[in-house]
Amino acid sequence: DQQVKQNSPSLSVQEGRISILNCDYTNSMFDYFLWYKKYPAEGPTFLISISSIKDKNEDGRFTVFLNKSAKHLSLHIVPSQPGDSAVYFCAATYTGANSKLTFGKGITLSVRP
Amino acid sequence: ETGVTQSPTHLIKTRGQQVTLRCSSQSGHNTVSWYQQALGQGPQFIFQYYREEENGRGNFPPRFSGLQFPNYSSELNVNALELDDSALYLCASSLDPNGDQPQHFGDGTRLSIL
Repeated sequence: DQQVKQNSPSLSVQEGRISILNCDYTNSMFDYFLWYKKYPAEGPTFLISISSIKDKNEDGRFTVFLNKSAKHLSLHIVPSQPGDSAVYFCAATYTGANSKLTFGKGITLSVRP
Repeated sequence: ETGVTQSPTHLIKTRGQQVTLRCSSQSGHNTVSWYQQALGQGPQFIFQYYREEENGRGNFPPRFSGLQFPNYSSELNVNALELDDSALYLCASSLDPNGDQPQHFGDGTRLSIL
């Protein structure tokens, strides 16, 4: 039972345009959501997070939107750059006894020059 | 600020053997979590250590065990290795175990079982 789903395995966008990466979750207990970027042969790098008390969080070119009623979040990258080409993982957890992260399978983003 | 470091980077073992993977947490971080990432999948939570005690465990058998030391570094031990244990093993550290701070990952250990 996949509690965090990234249904599109890949996305290709033109440099300078917007990249929108989507993520859905099923566990209503999740209250903290994160996006990680992963290059080959490296560990995941933390990008941005959002708490369930917010519906938007912005950090430079990266914005994460959270729609709790739809159990959906998205990561917007504007403008996209070739260096953004990587695998992006959505992860979720709930605050409490431990901070186990539940990950989606990832989306491979390719930004074309 | 020193990030999360893992050793070794690659390891080849045969079925039935035992392996120990090591992790140094980011400075100031007292909580360490271990994840297994199979090819084409997202990382799967193995367990977490806080104050040298196991503080939560995922759906992994007891032959996966761990330790945390007073300096917050950690080890992952896997006994009786099976072919399906071939994966990237990731260590992550965080400021606390409460789940409201991001976890920061090392580059992982690639374990291959022959």
